[in-house]
Amino acid sequence: DARVTQTPRHKVTEMGQEVTMRCQPILGHNTVFWYRQTMMQGLELLAYFRNRAPLDDSGMPKDRFSAEMPDATLATLKIQPSEPRDSAVYFCASGLVVAGEQFFGPGTRLTVL
Amino acid sequence: AQKVTQAQTEISVVEKEDVTLDCVYETRDTTYYLFWYKQPPSGELVFLIRRNSFDEQNEISGRYSWNFQKSTSSFNFTITASQVVDSAVYFCALSEGGLSYNTDKLIFGTGTRLQVFP
Repeated sequence: DARVTQTPRHKVTEMGQEVTMRCQPILGHNTVFWYRQTMMQGLELLAYFRNRAPLDDSGMPKDRFSAEMPDATLATLKIQPSEPRDSAVYFCASGLVVAGEQFFGPGTRLTVL
Repeated sequence: AQKVTQAQTEISVVEKEDVTLDCVYETRDTTYYLFWYKQPPSGELVFLIRRNSFDEQNEISGRYSWNFQKSTSSFNFTITASQVVDSAVYFCALSEGGLSYNTDKLIFGTGTRLQVFP
């Protein structure tokens, strides 16, 4: 049963610290997405990649957030420095077909104190 | 600009009742895709359906059915004979352009929380 995996599942950190979230997309999927979910803003797309190339990162605060795909099996989302307003659930999703179904991971719940 | 509106913030029903979740979208494109996702208490989003803008046929999958009407820009979701396990937050989403734009960007609505009581 192929699934998107995300680590860590929970992260509590202090303001100013660096946070790295990792995602392993479903094997063979060529598109990877990062979303953020908060009560106030709902689900927002932060960035996404196709064939490891960034296609859209317009939803991401550029000064502190960065997203990369070092290889086809790993996507990372980094926040440096973290702020309390970054507290949210961060979802990774992967897909294979343009404008097709996206398969979501379980999310990383980030709390920045 | 594209937008998805789910006006119902929360709905409560008793088991076996039918319930309809509303979704209204805005887009200038003639080619687009509409989606429904379910987010149970566990938190993971689960894909339910994808519909392209050229296919207005209603779809039924077990107790779930979807009514797509381009004339009213709506893509409503009905659960027949609801069950406690249907309790979740349901999101409607829009993806514009499809293959011609080579875009996968999903615009989500704010979600409708459905609570089904025994």
